[in-house]
Amino acid sequence: GQQVMQIPQYQHVQEGEDFTTYCNSSTTLSNIQWYKQRPGGHPVFLIQLVKSGEVKKQKRLTFQFGEAKKNSSLHITATQTTDVGTYFCAGDTGTASKLTFGTGTRLQVTL
Amino acid sequence: DAGVTQSPTHLIKTRGQQVTLRCSPKSGHDTVSWYQQALGQGPQFIFQYYEEEERQRGNFPDRFSGHQFPNYSSELNVNALLLGDSALYLCASSLSADTQYFGPGTRLTVL
Repeated sequence: GQQVMQIPQYQHVQEGEDFTTYCNSSTTLSNIQWYKQRPGGHPVFLIQLVKSGEVKKQKRLTFQFGEAKKNSSLHITATQTTDVGTYFCAGDTGTASKLTFGTGTRLQVTL
Repeated sequence: DAGVTQSPTHLIKTRGQQVTLRCSPKSGHDTVSWYQQALGQGPQFIFQYYEEEERQRGNFPDRFSGHQFPNYSSELNVNALLLGDSALYLCASSLSADTQYFGPGTRLTVL
C-alpha cells in the first residue's frame, strides 16, 4: 500500500534558527496537504499543494511540491516558540480524499 | 459557525466491550472521514462517509463500522475492543473531496 515517510522524526532548534521537514511518498500524489498538531491537540490544516513544482508561502512558512509529485517539503524561517508541534504531510492519490499521513516531524523550539 | 465537534472527549472501556463515538461536521460539509491516531504516530484512515454510504475504507477490520445520518453527522462503532484500539479517534469533515477539517478527537483507553 501507499507509504508516506517524513524526515527527520524530531528536530530541536533554538529560536531564530531555520527548520525543514521532508516528505516522501511511495506513489505519485494528486495533491499533498500539510497539517500542524500541537501537543495534546488535533491536526490543523495549513496548506494544500496540487501542481507539480508548486511553491507556496505563508509568512515564514514555505511549502514545496516536487516535480514528480512524490515529495514535498516545509521550511520555516526564523523559528519561534509558537512553531512547536508535530508537522504532518498527508498525501491524496485522488480517490475521494483518502489521506495517507506521513510519520510526522516533531519540532521543539527553545529560547 | 461551529467547527467539527466530537463526543465524548475521553472514554475508558475494557477489553471485549463495544464503543460508539460521535461526530458533527462543520456547517455546510457533507463528507465525514474517521482516523485513528496511536500515540506518537500519524493519523490512519479508517473510512469515509458521503451521502450516508461508506465511500472509502482503510485497512481496518470489520470490528470498525460506521454510519452517517441525513444531517451528515456520523458515528464510529468499534466492537470487541482490544488493548491496541487505545488511541485518539479523529473525525474530519469536508465538502465532498475538498480540504478536510479535523475535530478535537475522542481519546479512547481500553483496559
